[in-house]
Amino acid sequence: NAGVTQTPKFQVLKTGQSMTLQCAQDMNHEYMSWYRQDPGMGLRLIHYSVGAGITDQGEVPNGYNVSRSTTEDFPLRLLSAAPSQTSVYFCASRPGGGGYTEAFFGQGTRLTVV
Amino acid sequence: AQSVAQPEDQVNVAEGNPLTVKCTYSVSGNPYLFWYVQYPNRGLQFLLKYITGDNLVKGSYGFEAEFNKSQTSFHLKKPSALVSDSALYFCAVRVLYSSASKIIFGSGTRLSIRP
Repeated sequence: NAGVTQTPKFQVLKTGQSMTLQCAQDMNHEYMSWYRQDPGMGLRLIHYSVGAGITDQGEVPNGYNVSRSTTEDFPLRLLSAAPSQTSVYFCASRPGGGGYTEAFFGQGTRLTVV
Repeated sequence: AQSVAQPEDQVNVAEGNPLTVKCTYSVSGNPYLFWYVQYPNRGLQFLLKYITGDNLVKGSYGFEAEFNKSQTSFHLKKPSALVSDSALYFCAVRVLYSSASKIIFGSGTRLSIRP
């Protein structure tokens, strides 16, 4: 059971480039989310999805797009990378939308924008 | 505003001593509270949660947490610290926005256990 898989683990982008961070889970979880982790700020929610075809914004959605065409996959797109998007990105999933189940996290993607 | 706070950036404890990592929250409705641990270069791992029931919750690796409704706190505790407990700890809480629920995280507390 792989859990939550994120790719790539590391990425360096130039300002203005675009890229997609991949996230896949094999636990048939309805709820998936993306966070960014910055020193002293904990994890901040970027976007989340309560099921295939349904997405919504979190605390810091600007500069990021998401889609959820399948239950398993929840990619995060950076359309035009900026240095302020340098961060560690985590994808998480959990079984339901009630908020009482624990989340499972991927290992993270460390992104540097130069 | 709904929020969760971890007032200490770092906690230092000698091995064998008890440890406490503090968390306070402010939410609408019943609080669903969580603790996660993050080891270097890894994702977060679930430790324990409070949904309802007994105020003292037991979790993984000998950790426990005490829910205090009057003080709106959910402090993480362990009776005897191990060097291997050194890590970054996050408190999290469910918040309700219209018809959706989200989990928000505190800023994290770095726990350092010295031999």
